[in-house]
Amino acid sequence: EIVLTQSPGTLSLSPGERATLSCRASQSVSSSYIAWYQQKPGQAPGLLIYGASYRATDIPDRFSGSGSGTDFTLTISRLQPEDFAVYYCQQYGSSPRTFGQGTKLEIK
Amino acid sequence: QVQLVQSGGEVKKPGTSVRVSCKTSGYTFTSYVITWVRQAPGQGLEWMGWINTYNGNTDYAQNVQDRVTMSADTSTSTAYMELRSLTYDDTAVYYCGRDPSGYDALDIWGQGTMVSVSS
Repeated sequence: EIVLTQSPGTLSLSPGERATLSCRASQSVSSSYIAWYQQKPGQAPGLLIYGASYRATDIPDRFSGSGSGTDFTLTISRLQPEDFAVYYCQQYGSSPRTFGQGTKLEIK
Repeated sequence: QVQLVQSGGEVKKPGTSVRVSCKTSGYTFTSYVITWVRQAPGQGLEWMGWINTYNGNTDYAQNVQDRVTMSADTSTSTAYMELRSLTYDDTAVYYCGRDPSGYDALDIWGQGTMVSVSS
């Protein structure tokens, strides 16, 4: 089983700042099968990034994904008030699919 | 538009079973895999498994594989997840999600179904 470790657990930033979220895998993720999801309180998760770096439909270009192998990053270039949420990475290249434990992005 | 609409919340006693439905619309049901994910209160996301709605193949997480059955009714474009021998640790929101191939991200999610296990 591939274990995904996200860091930091909580990130406190102000609107307009840049956010960098990390997801590290315990072994190489095949074909960069990494996705990032955003979850707001009381809502289902929503897909942001797939294939490590491809934005999902209607996702603003301030969201970007990068990385390969075992190290992946989600970057939000200029934080908007609606971006404060919990973010999860997921690997879907091998079974069982696994999620990271999440990073909470909170307003400073 | 594409929608996944789940059944309503359930309260169950320990040892019993629950079945959650995920009714889909707006796309060809058998062209996508349905994945089930759960989230215990205040916790992260846990992958439970998926069902290939075209051929019925399944892949279950090891920690639930002896207690879970995922199925699909192509006549109503609805997927089901049944979990048996419930314990308090099964208290969670259960989500269904759509996956184009079984090797893709979940592009559309249901709204979630709260299952509470309580005596």
